[in-house]
Amino acid sequence: KAGVTQTPRYLIKTRGQQVTLSCSPISGHRSVSWYQQTPGQGLQFLFEYFSETQRNKGNFPGRFSGRQFSNSRSEMNVSTLELGDSALYLCASKAGGQANTGELFFGEGSRLTVL
Amino acid sequence: GNSVTQMEGPVTLSEEAFLTINCTYTATGYPSLFWYVQYPGEGLQLLLKATKADDKGSNKGFEATYRKETTSFHLEKGSVQVSDSAVYFCALSAPSGSGNNRKLIWGLGTSLAVNP
Repeated sequence: KAGVTQTPRYLIKTRGQQVTLSCSPISGHRSVSWYQQTPGQGLQFLFEYFSETQRNKGNFPGRFSGRQFSNSRSEMNVSTLELGDSALYLCASKAGGQANTGELFFGEGSRLTVL
Repeated sequence: GNSVTQMEGPVTLSEEAFLTINCTYTATGYPSLFWYVQYPGEGLQLLLKATKADDKGSNKGFEATYRKETTSFHLEKGSVQVSDSAVYFCALSAPSGSGNNRKLIWGLGTSLAVNP
């Protein structure tokens, strides 16, 4: 069973640009969550999507957005990039229904550097 | 509300030393408890879990026991190796909203460095 796949793994952008990150969850998982990880702030929850609907949302500005497609793949977008957006962005999926114990399965992350 | 508190790092140990990373929680109901590990340059992966009181999760020589009376889930390993150097996250899973929706609440992570 393939794990969670995130692309791209590394990217460099400049301030003011926008970026789109992609995540393919484990087959059969309908929930996808996104996290931002920085050395100073730890693991910060961005949002969770389930069946194409945003189910939970963290405290991030509107420049951070996401969506989920009918095949459960998800994308997140950050517009008007700032230096402080440099981080590792992690995607995680989990099983739904009766199989849902809350356990998350993570991808390896997309490391974004903003110059 | 639900919360997780874990000991601050960094923790530095010599190889073969005993490891304890403390984790306590506050939760309503009966959460599931997890330890995740993040090796350098990688995403997080589940290390072990426990879904009810007195359960002991174990994996790769690590253990943690779900103690409801002390609301704790401390991570232990009898003899650490250099390859255990990583960041360890404690988390709990609690119901969120309606249906079977559950939300993970995270600790801040504890960095462990093991020296040869």
